[in-house]
Amino acid sequence: DIQMTQSPSSVSASLGDRVTITCRASQGIAGWLAWYQQKPGKAPRLLIYDATTLHSEVPSRFSGRGSGTDFTLTISSLQPEDLATYYCQQTYSLVTFGGGTKVEMK
Amino acid sequence: LQLQESGPGLVKPSETLSLTCAVSGGSLSGNNDYWGWVRQPPGKALEWIGTIYYSGSTYYNPSLKTRVTLSVDTSKNQFSLKLRSVTAADTAVYHCARLFVRGFWSGFCDYWGQGTLVSVSS
Repeated sequence: DIQMTQSPSSVSASLGDRVTITCRASQGIAGWLAWYQQKPGKAPRLLIYDATTLHSEVPSRFSGRGSGTDFTLTISSLQPEDLATYYCQQTYSLVTFGGGTKVEMK
Repeated sequence: LQLQESGPGLVKPSETLSLTCAVSGGSLSGNNDYWGWVRQPPGKALEWIGTIYYSGSTYYNPSLKTRVTLSVDTSKNQFSLKLRSVTAADTAVYHCARLFVRGFWSGFCDYWGQGTLVSVSS
């Protein structure tokens, strides 16, 4: 099974800050990675797929990088509506999610 | 495309949890689509349960494989989950989702149901 490890588990940041979340796969997954945003009581929302492709209607302040085993999600300028928990998911073989990263206001 | 879960919100320990996901605004029979179930225990991370193709082929999370059955009814445009011998650890919000095909029995989830809370308690 492919394990996905996210770090940090939580991050505190101020409005306008650049926030970067890391996701590491236990084996190489090429560029087969997706990122989701989840707000309390809501279903996850797809942000990025294939490691770098922004899903429709996702603001351009979100970006994804990486391939192989190491991936990042960056929010270039944190906005109030970005406070949420973020999950990575490998789409290489079966389905595995990371443990989540909660983005909070400092 | 819209997905809507339905089923009991309370299940007794040792019994079977049964949920259905109705798909509207599109067909279950797309070649590029898998359909899946994801759950989230309160305050915890997302956990994949299993994936089904419109043909009825399935793949399950190894940790749940002995207790899970997914099925599909293309005539009703819906798919279903059965989880047997439930315990309190199965209490979670259960989401159905469409997986846009990528790797081996995998894909990114671009459409989600709103989720339904299922509690396991006597």
